[in-house]
Amino acid sequence: DAKTTQPPSMDCAEGRAANLPCNHSTISGNEYVYWYRQIHSQGPQYIIHGLKNNETNEMASLIITEDRKSSTLILPHATLRDTAVYYCIVKQGAQKLVFGQGTRLTINP
Amino acid sequence: DTAVSQTPKYLVTQMGNDKSIKCEQNLGHDTMYWYKQDSKKFLKIMFSYNNKELIINETVPNRFSPKSPDKAHLNLHINSLELGDSAVYFCASSGSGSRGETQYFGPGTRLLVL
Repeated sequence: DAKTTQPPSMDCAEGRAANLPCNHSTISGNEYVYWYRQIHSQGPQYIIHGLKNNETNEMASLIITEDRKSSTLILPHATLRDTAVYYCIVKQGAQKLVFGQGTRLTINP
Repeated sequence: DTAVSQTPKYLVTQMGNDKSIKCEQNLGHDTMYWYKQDSKKFLKIMFSYNNKELIINETVPNRFSPKSPDKAHLNLHINSLELGDSAVYFCASSGSGSRGETQYFGPGTRLLVL
């Protein structure tokens, strides 16, 4: 079973920042927070991951609360191509990825 | 220069047939996985191999048999196909590192059993 809770759907206007929340209140000290997205039945695409510090890459930023019980994925300037299902997953080492239902993000023109 | 590739992309076959799906990764990763995504869009792990050794085997019918000829390949053979096997099958691979082990996915193989 997924150890994370995400809203089932969100909308965002094109050009705005999309902020996707995730709760992982039972995360353990050595588990990382991973974010993936799946665009229209393509293979899941890795976005970003972190342990406790905030992370940023060319795709997104990941903000993890100090107690690590929740996190937010930020797409700074959403485009129509960012419409996808976004999955927040907690994982340790070589463990399998356990996908929940994710958040269906729709970017509106 | 595709990182994780799968063949075929689409597979339509009759019930009772035997079929194989191939996966190759050129990332130099040690671990490979098979996931299944059903019609309700749930993605679930099936198998994981590390350096050609099986390390994860979820509750999957024994009609499904993964085969890893080398660490860059993990093929999935399915015997006596059933209607319920219709799904999208994704291969993935991961390396190792101190910051966790990120999995990278292939484009998927869409299997339809008639």
